[in-house]
Amino acid sequence: KNEVEQSPQNLTAQEGEFITINCSYSVGISALHWLQQHPGGGIVSLFMLSSGKKKHGRLIATINIQEKHSSLHITASHPRDSAVYICAVRYSGGSNYKLTFGKGTLLTVNP
Amino acid sequence: DGGITQSPKYLFRKEGQNVTLSCEQNLNHDAMYWYRQDPGQGLRLIYYSQIVNDFQKGDIAEGYSVSREKKESFPLTVTSAQKNPTAFYLCASRRTGMWTDTQYFGPGTRLTVL
Repeated sequence: KNEVEQSPQNLTAQEGEFITINCSYSVGISALHWLQQHPGGGIVSLFMLSSGKKKHGRLIATINIQEKHSSLHITASHPRDSAVYICAVRYSGGSNYKLTFGKGTLLTVNP
Repeated sequence: DGGITQSPKYLFRKEGQNVTLSCEQNLNHDAMYWYRQDPGQGLRLIYYSQIVNDFQKGDIAEGYSVSREKKESFPLTVTSAQKNPTAFYLCASRRTGMWTDTQYFGPGTRLTVL
């Protein structure tokens, strides 16, 4: 059973729409990462969060430690945002040498 | 430009052959990782190295081997013992600091076993 759950698995939006992708995890973490994977396969790190909220351009990431939940928001979505968005966590304790990844959310933004 | 390079981008191998995937970084990072990505699954850790001349098995190390003789290089060998080697392989390095923890990924190698 994958310990990091993302929803939705697939998301189709019209250009300009507000997008939300969700991530939940099972036990205490030291950090949560949001990553972007383009069709060619390369992965880019968007955010690393341990608490609160971060913003970069049209992207906003939030985390609620008590509820073990994070969201990635995209405002004014654009076709170039089309990609797979991946949530990954670094668990506290013995497993902290590695990231545990969600399966990803495929976002398609139509013009 | 600093970054991680992987070669080749596409690799075809006959069943029963060993093959080595290259990963090089000029970011001066100590920690490096190899992941495997299969359709519909999250990335899974094959091997990792936190420092030169040391490496550890990840979650799916069977059928793979690595070396870390130089800080810049972390090659992965897919051996004939790996039962299902066709996959997308990603190499990564990690930068940590007081308030940072960032993973940098290479462009990946898509391995197909014929």
